Amino acid sequence: EIVLTQSPGTVSLSPGERATLPCRASQSVNNNYLAWYQQKPGQAPRLLIYGASTRAPGIPDRFSGSGSGTDFTLTISRLEPEDSAVYYCQRYDISPPPFGQGTKVEIK
Amino acid sequence: EVQLVESGGGLVEPGGSLRLSCEASGLTFSRYGMSWVRQAPGKGLEWVSSISRDGGETFYADSVKGRFTIFRDNSKNTMFLQMNSLRDEDAAIYFCAKIGQLGLWYFDVWGRGTLVTISS
Repeated sequence: EIVLTQSPGTVSLSPGERATLPCRASQSVNNNYLAWYQQKPGQAPRLLIYGASTRAPGIPDRFSGSGSGTDFTLTISRLEPEDSAVYYCQRYDISPPPFGQGTKVEIK
Repeated sequence: EVQLVESGGGLVEPGGSLRLSCEASGLTFSRYGMSWVRQAPGKGLEWVSSISRDGGETFYADSVKGRFTIFRDNSKNTMFLQMNSLRDEDAAIYFCAKIGQLGLWYFDVWGRGTLVTISS
């Protein structure tokens, strides 16, 4: 089974700090087909990044994605209170397209 | 603005059936593949099923294969998920999601979800 691992499960940071969220694939992701989503409590997920590093329309530039192969990172450069959410990575080069288990970002 | 609105969730007994609907607006529906993604209470996201633009190709997670059927009516801008032989582990919020550019299976628009509860 091909899995995506997101660790730690929770990060707690202050406004203005940088958040670095890793996503590790058990097998290499082809063509950088890796997406990131944000989910706030009681809401649907929202696409942030696709193609490992392309921001979706309307996503603030404080969100950025990087990485290739098996190691990817979502960076939130300057945390704002509204960034409190769970962040999921997902690879879409294979079927079924798995999601990571998510990293919760708490704002102090 | 693209919108996806799910309906059809509810309380059903184990072994029962439900049909979920996803109505789309603000886009040319027939141009896009569509998917269902679910989220069990307090858990992460799980892809369930996808369908091609014309409905000719369908794909399922192993956990639902043979029990769920995805289909669409492009004349009504609506996608469906027929769920039979429901199990306790099928309890979740079911999200409708639009497949991304070039038919790549990332999900760029999501509905708000519909809750399926399994209980006797």
